Amino acid sequence: EAQVTQNPRYLITVTGKKLTVTCSQNMNHEYMSWYRQDPGLGLRQIYYSMNVEVTDKGDVPEGYKVSRKEKRNFPLILESPSPNQTSLYFCASRDREERLDTQYFGPGTRLTVL
Amino acid sequence: AQTVTQSQPEMSVQEAETVTLSCTYDTSENNYYLFWYKQPPSRQMILVIRQEAYKQQNATENRFSVNFQKAAKSFSLKISDSQLGDTAMYFCAFMKNFGNEKLTFGTGTRLTIIP
Repeated sequence: EAQVTQNPRYLITVTGKKLTVTCSQNMNHEYMSWYRQDPGLGLRQIYYSMNVEVTDKGDVPEGYKVSRKEKRNFPLILESPSPNQTSLYFCASRDREERLDTQYFGPGTRLTVL
Repeated sequence: AQTVTQSQPEMSVQEAETVTLSCTYDTSENNYYLFWYKQPPSRQMILVIRQEAYKQQNATENRFSVNFQKAAKSFSLKISDSQLGDTAMYFCAFMKNFGNEKLTFGTGTRLTIIP
């Protein structure tokens, strides 16, 4: 089954404690992206990756890091989380080789930073 | 930069009725895609319908259809014969064809179907 998986699905942490949210897709997609969703703001892109070892900032990258060492994985790293990073996070992927016009979303990760 | 505007924060409609959700966008691109995503209480983002900007014909998926007006930069979603399972947050989104193919989302419309 084609899917994007994220772990953990729920996380409560404290300010300053480093954390990683994993994202994995089994569709061999080149393009992957992270979004955060906040009430009244819709979803906003944090970082994206066009392929292995190719990453770039989205609209709200401050406080986040990413890496793309393998095609299937695109982890989101919060080195020193702060309460304003409390949000719902989505990973997404897209097949650019086939120019398919669909992005597939993971199930979301609800993060609370105390 | 692209912007997407959904001017209806909340809507409600009786079951079996038809409802239309509005979306306008702003872009200087000529080739792009437009989408409607549904987010039920489970929080999953579910693609409802897509439209390629170069196609004049409006997209249709079962009870869901769009009214795409490229010159007016308008992209509304019509849900016919609404069902209780249609209750969800609906997001309009824009994606350009090249480069960073991020989705630019509107702020969403919360739709409630009343039994």
